[in-house]
Amino acid sequence: DGGITQSPKYLFRKEGQNVTLSCEQNLNHDAMYWYRQDPGQGLRLIYYSQIVNDFQKGDIAEGYSVSREKKESFPLTVTSAQKNPTAFYLCASTSGSGEQYFGPGTRLTVT
Amino acid sequence: AQTVTQSQPEMSVQEAETVTLSCTYDTSESDYYLFWYKQPPSRQMILVIRQEAYKQQNATENRFSVNFQKAAKSFSLKISDSQLGDAAMYFCAYRSASSASKIIFGSGTRLSIRP
Repeated sequence: DGGITQSPKYLFRKEGQNVTLSCEQNLNHDAMYWYRQDPGQGLRLIYYSQIVNDFQKGDIAEGYSVSREKKESFPLTVTSAQKNPTAFYLCASTSGSGEQYFGPGTRLTVT
Repeated sequence: AQTVTQSQPEMSVQEAETVTLSCTYDTSESDYYLFWYKQPPSRQMILVIRQEAYKQQNATENRFSVNFQKAAKSFSLKISDSQLGDAAMYFCAYRSASSASKIIFGSGTRLSIRP
């Protein structure tokens, strides 16, 4: 089945540690996105990538980094510079017709 | 810059009744897409319905339909025959047809269903 996978579903880290969230898609989509969602809030764009080896900052990129070495993969690193990293992170990709397909998300807790 | 506004943070409806969720947006573009997404407690985002701005006909998917008023920049979602499984957060979203980067979400409406 085609889709987007994110792992792990729950992630716990100590403050000061970098952590990388995985996102893989087999939909053959060019564009991929990372969003952050805080409780009771909408989605805020962190980074997006329209093609391999290219990515752009979204609205809240500070403290995050990404790479896009393969079409299928778009990992997100939450660095120690991110002041409030505890959140729900959603990865998505976009079809040619404009629809966004989402992964199941990763809940990151930093203590 | 484009914006998407959902003015109803919470809505409640009796099971089997009809409910309408509001969404307004602001844009200077003429070609774009509009979407409604559902986020149940599992937090998986599910596409409910989509509308292309160039289409005058309102989109319909089973019990879900939209009222797209382009001039008024309004895009409401109507859920008919509400079911308990419809309980979720609903997000309205806008995407420019010219740029894959411009996908903007509203703040969401939490819909509860009364049995």
